[in-house]
Order: sequence, then structure tokens, then C-alpha cells
Amino acid sequence: DTGVSQNPRHKITKRGQNVTFRCDPISEHNRLYWYRQTLGQGPEFLTYFQNEAQLEKSRLLSDRFSAERPKGSFSTLEIQRTEQGDSAMYLCASSLGTVTLEQYFGPGTRLTVT
Amino acid sequence: GQSLEQPSEVTAVEGAIVQINCTYQTSGFYGLSWYQQHDGGAPTFLSYNALDGLEETGRFSSFLSRSDSYGYLLLQELQMKDSASYFCAAPKAAGNKLTFGGGTRVLVKP
Repeated sequence: DTGVSQNPRHKITKRGQNVTFRCDPISEHNRLYWYRQTLGQGPEFLTYFQNEAQLEKSRLLSDRFSAERPKGSFSTLEIQRTEQGDSAMYLCASSLGTVTLEQYFGPGTRLTVT
Repeated sequence: GQSLEQPSEVTAVEGAIVQINCTYQTSGFYGLSWYQQHDGGAPTFLSYNALDGLEETGRFSSFLSRSDSYGYLLLQELQMKDSASYFCAAPKAAGNKLTFGGGTRVLVKP
């Protein structure tokens, strides 16, 4: 399978715990994006990378959220001290940078904070 | 900033034609993309309009009018498998983040 993969697919955690999600983009894609989607809404931008450089971070993203792409390949998104409002689907996408407008999405990680 | 508005739901029968409108307000407009998302699935790219006019891809077509800040996705010869949510999205630039509309849920009935 050469598509975007995300792990885990589902995560249930208690409020106050830290969680980390992983995204493996399509191998030749240099741009990687994180979005968050709640039920019945469109995906909401969180942050994105060009290779290992984080180019933009949403102002909506609190300091509890951090993302890395250490070697310009896979990326991790960490949420510290989770809150019930963090419950959502976290989507990762990748693209060939400025070559194309098309972004390829992974299946997402569904986070439930109890 | 950018905001995109689209209807929340549309219902139609198999074989019919459905048009999903998207109006946008942006501080800088680069073009309009459309994505399809089945329940529990990932968004998948359908089309992109950078210039005014109609882009046709099989049963799906997309239209853009920059002067009216408006676009639409046209689904023809509806099939049951077309039941999904459809999102318009605007990139800030090529390879840049996408701002999505709230999505239109299309329900196809036999």
C-alpha cells in the first residue's frame, strides 16, 4: 500500500493524559499536513511541513499541541494534557509541494477523550 | 482569512443530477478544490478550478466564477455509491494549507 497511513486508527484516553499520533506520507511527497475534523464539519487546518521544516501552525492550535517531522519523512502529532474538546478525527495528508494542488489524505486517527 | 459556505444536505434519486454550490470569501484566492468523503473514510480529491469555467471529469464537473466568488460541483447520473459528503476547499497557494467548507451531505435514494 503506497498511500498515506496513520497510527493508531483509534485512541481512547482519559482527560489529562498525553497522546501521540503518527503519520507516514506517500514516500516522494515533501509536504505533510495535519487537520482536525469533528462530526459534521469540514477538516480544519492544524499545521504543515515542507520536508522537516514546519511552515505554518494554526492560531487555533494551543501550546498543548506539537508536531514534528524529524527526518522529513513520517510525522508525529502530540497532544499534552488532553481535554474532552480534543475529541475529533485527526487527519494527515501529503502532497508534492507546489507541483500539484491535490492533497492525499490518510484514514485518520479518531481520538476520544473521556 | 477564508470562509466557504455550502448547503448542509441534498437528497436525490439514482440517475438524477445534483449541483452543490459553494460561495467563498477570501483575502487571497488561488482556486477551488472539491473533495469527496464517505462515512468513516478519508477525503479524496475530485477536481480543482484555477480559472473561470467548467472542468469535466467523467460524471462529475466543477465550475468556478471568480467575479461572483462562487463555484459548484455537478454530479450527474447519480449512483448509490455517490452518497457521501462533498467539501469545497480553497488552497492559500499551490502546496499550501486548505480551508474547507462545512460540507454537503448527499443522500442518493433508489
